[in-house]
Amino acid sequence: ETGVTQSPTHLIKTRGQQVTLRCSSQSGHNTVSWYQQALGQGPQFIFQYYREEENGRGNFPPRFSGLQFPNYSSELNVNALELDDSALYLCASRSGGPGANVLTFGAGSRLTVL
Amino acid sequence: KNEVEQSPQNLTAQEGEFITINCSYSVGISALHWLQQHPGGGIVSLFMLSSGKKKHGRLIATINIQEKHSSLHITASHPRDSAVYICAVPTSGTYKYIFGTGTRLKVLA
Repeated sequence: ETGVTQSPTHLIKTRGQQVTLRCSSQSGHNTVSWYQQALGQGPQFIFQYYREEENGRGNFPPRFSGLQFPNYSSELNVNALELDDSALYLCASRSGGPGANVLTFGAGSRLTVL
Repeated sequence: KNEVEQSPQNLTAQEGEFITINCSYSVGISALHWLQQHPGGGIVSLFMLSSGKKKHGRLIATINIQEKHSSLHITASHPRDSAVYICAVPTSGTYKYIFGTGTRLKVLA
């Protein structure tokens, strides 16, 4: 399968709830990174996973957590949702480990927190 | 000052015009990406540049490593080029990408 697939595409949650977003990375890509893009802003790096371990993190609180599975798919979990968590969440995968530069993005999951 | 800055932030052009979008960065990089984001959010990688110039169809990207500056040019612009164009650079260690805030381009027919 080619390309990066994210699910769900849209979802609405209320403040305090928890959410799980999923990403299936491109075949052969073993590095996955997650980004948060607020309206009108560029994406902000959340964290990156390589071979099932987190190996880089941006300025996001611990309630943002993730997992990478043996098939290199990934999850982003956000606990205790806040209104400011409303954003587009993008997943990007690449091959060759953290230093590789060929990025493939998913279409994103748009989260609205009410 | 942001580590990656783009200009202009918004650009409206008439169909057929030549368009230039600029990106300046202050972080050390091994390669710079130009990305295109259409309404709805999905991002497509247009170019990855580490030196010189690349061309794909009507799109041309250039980079000057010494001046830490890159440009994206669109020749013979078309309404379907309307999108947000974003440049992104990997930081040292290359696990964290820093993105510009994007240039919102609208091409009118």
